[in-house]
Amino acid sequence: QQQVKQSPQSLIVQKGGISIINCAYENTAFDYFPWYQQFPGKGPALLIAIRPDVSEKKEGRFTISFNKSAKQFSLHIMDSQPGDSATYFCAAANSGGYQKVTFGIGTKLQVIP
Amino acid sequence: DAGVTQSPTHLIKTRGQHVTLRCSPISGHKSVSWYQQVLGQGPQFIFQYYEKEERGRGNFPDRFSARQFPNYSSELNVNALLLGDSALYLCASSAVQGKDGYTFGSGTRLTVV
Repeated sequence: QQQVKQSPQSLIVQKGGISIINCAYENTAFDYFPWYQQFPGKGPALLIAIRPDVSEKKEGRFTISFNKSAKQFSLHIMDSQPGDSATYFCAAANSGGYQKVTFGIGTKLQVIP
Repeated sequence: DAGVTQSPTHLIKTRGQHVTLRCSPISGHKSVSWYQQVLGQGPQFIFQYYEKEERGRGNFPDRFSARQFPNYSSELNVNALLLGDSALYLCASSAVQGKDGYTFGSGTRLTVV
């Protein structure tokens, strides 16, 4: 049972373009939505995170858009660079009690020059 | 400042054997979680420990067990290894239970033959 659905599973974007990854969740108890970036041979690294009391959060070239009523959120990478080529995971957690993080399946992003 | 360190980095075991994976959290972090990442999938939650007590358990068989030591380091043990246990095992630490901002280690790549 996939509680966090992520799409697309792979994405090819030209350098300078916008990369968009979408996620949807089912559990309304989730109140913390991080995005992780993972390079081959490395563990996931926290990129940016949002809580459902805001609809958008921007950090540099990375923006999360959040739609609480639709239970959807997305990551936008502006001015995509070859160095952004990695696998991106959306995730969700309930920060009450212990914080089990539920991950999406991942999106493999390739930014071509 | 050291991040989350895991050992060993790679491991090859035979079906039916036992394996112990080790994790040292970031200094001052009291919460350690373990995740299994099968190739092409997002990490799946196995355990969380906080202050040396198990605080959460994912949907994994009893062959999987873990513990946390007084210095907050942790071990993940897997008995009676199956081919399907082949995966990247990730350890993540955070300062306080229930708070966001996990930091992941680079993982232990376990191959069961």
